[in-house]
Amino acid sequence: NAGVTQTPKFQVLKTGQSMTLQCAQDMNHNSMYWYRQDPGMGLRLIYYSASEGTTDKGEVPNGYNVSRLNKREFSLRLESAAPSQTSVYFCASTVDRGYGYTFGSGTRLTVV
Amino acid sequence: QKEVEQNSGPLSVPEGAIASLNCTYSDRGSQSFFWYRQYSGKSPELIMFIYSNGDKEDGRFTAQLNKASQYVSLLIRDSQPSDSATYLCAVLPQRGSQGNLIFGKGTKLSVKP
Repeated sequence: NAGVTQTPKFQVLKTGQSMTLQCAQDMNHNSMYWYRQDPGMGLRLIYYSASEGTTDKGEVPNGYNVSRLNKREFSLRLESAAPSQTSVYFCASTVDRGYGYTFGSGTRLTVV
Repeated sequence: QKEVEQNSGPLSVPEGAIASLNCTYSDRGSQSFFWYRQYSGKSPELIMFIYSNGDKEDGRFTAQLNKASQYVSLLIRDSQPSDSATYLCAVLPQRGSQGNLIFGKGTKLSVKP
């Protein structure tokens, strides 16, 4: 089992460029999440999808959009990248919140 | 605003000692508690969860929960250099809430040989 797979692992963007971070899980999980992690700030929730067909804003949604493509896949899009979006992005999933989350390996994004 | 607080550390312990990591939370109705380990440059990995007051042991790890004091801790016995990592505490809000896991900012543990 691959678990939660994120692509790409590393990316450098210029300010104003757009990109989509991909996430897929093969554990038949219902809920999926996107976090960003910055030094001293901890994990901050960007968007989540409690179930297929639904998405909701988290703590820091501005500048991002998401798509729950199907039960397996949850993508995060940056429409116009800004240096403030330089961060490590983690996708996570769970069958039920009471079981905790499984995290992907992360995407390290630098916006110059 | 529901909060989870951890001392950022670094917490430095000698090899073979007991490392004690602490976490407090603000939502008295919280129902489930998780400890994640995150090595530098890696993703968080779930190592322990606890739902009931008291202790839960798994190998060298013991999670302790005191809901009255809103306090959860992680003890690592016989600490090894390979335990050096940042440990994240996460709390699930009360039953019936649609809230997601709330993460603390983590405590960095350094185990010295």
